[in-house]
Amino acid sequence: NAGVTQTPKFQVLKTGQSMTLQCAQDMNHEYMSWYRQDPGMGLRLIHYSVGAGITDQGEVPNGYNVSRSTTEDFPLRLLSAAPSQTSVYFCASSRQGPRNSPLHFGNGTRLTVT
Amino acid sequence: KNQVEQSPQSLIILEGKNCTLQCNYTVSPFSNLRWYKQDTGRGPVSLTIMTFSENTKSNGRYTATLDADTKQSSLHITASQLSDSASYICVVSWDSNYQLIWGAGTKLIIKP
Repeated sequence: NAGVTQTPKFQVLKTGQSMTLQCAQDMNHEYMSWYRQDPGMGLRLIHYSVGAGITDQGEVPNGYNVSRSTTEDFPLRLLSAAPSQTSVYFCASSRQGPRNSPLHFGNGTRLTVT
Repeated sequence: KNQVEQSPQSLIILEGKNCTLQCNYTVSPFSNLRWYKQDTGRGPVSLTIMTFSENTKSNGRYTATLDADTKQSSLHITASQLSDSASYICVVSWDSNYQLIWGAGTKLIIKP
């Protein structure tokens, strides 16, 4: 049982480049989300989805797009990378919303934008 | 403003010793509080959840407490092991089913 799988583990981008971070879960969870983790700060929610075809913005959505075409996959797209987007990105899923069931996290993507 | 503050920021203890990590929150309305453990280079993993009516809950060597009146929670680790070296994050749920209030975490280092 793989849980939540994120790819790639590491990525370096130049300012202005675009890329997609991949996230897949095999637990049939309806809720999926993307967070960024920066030193000295709590995790910040970027976007989330409560089911296939449904997405919504979190706390820090600017510069990021998501889509949810299947229950399993929830990719995060950086449209035009900026140095402020240097961070560790985590994908997480839960059976219900995160208030009522624990989040299951992937192992993160460490992104550096130069 | 909804906030979760954790203390200390970092802590170093010797293997076998006990420690207590603190979490203070100003979140309203309060729904529940979770503690997550995050190993270096990995995603967080849920340790325990505390609801409004619960004062104490144990998970092996981890014991969480909650005082809803003072809006404080603690995580006590007994007989620490090297594998306890990690960041411990306090997370509070409130009115929203989808958005949580995350603390910045306490980085715990266990030395042999």
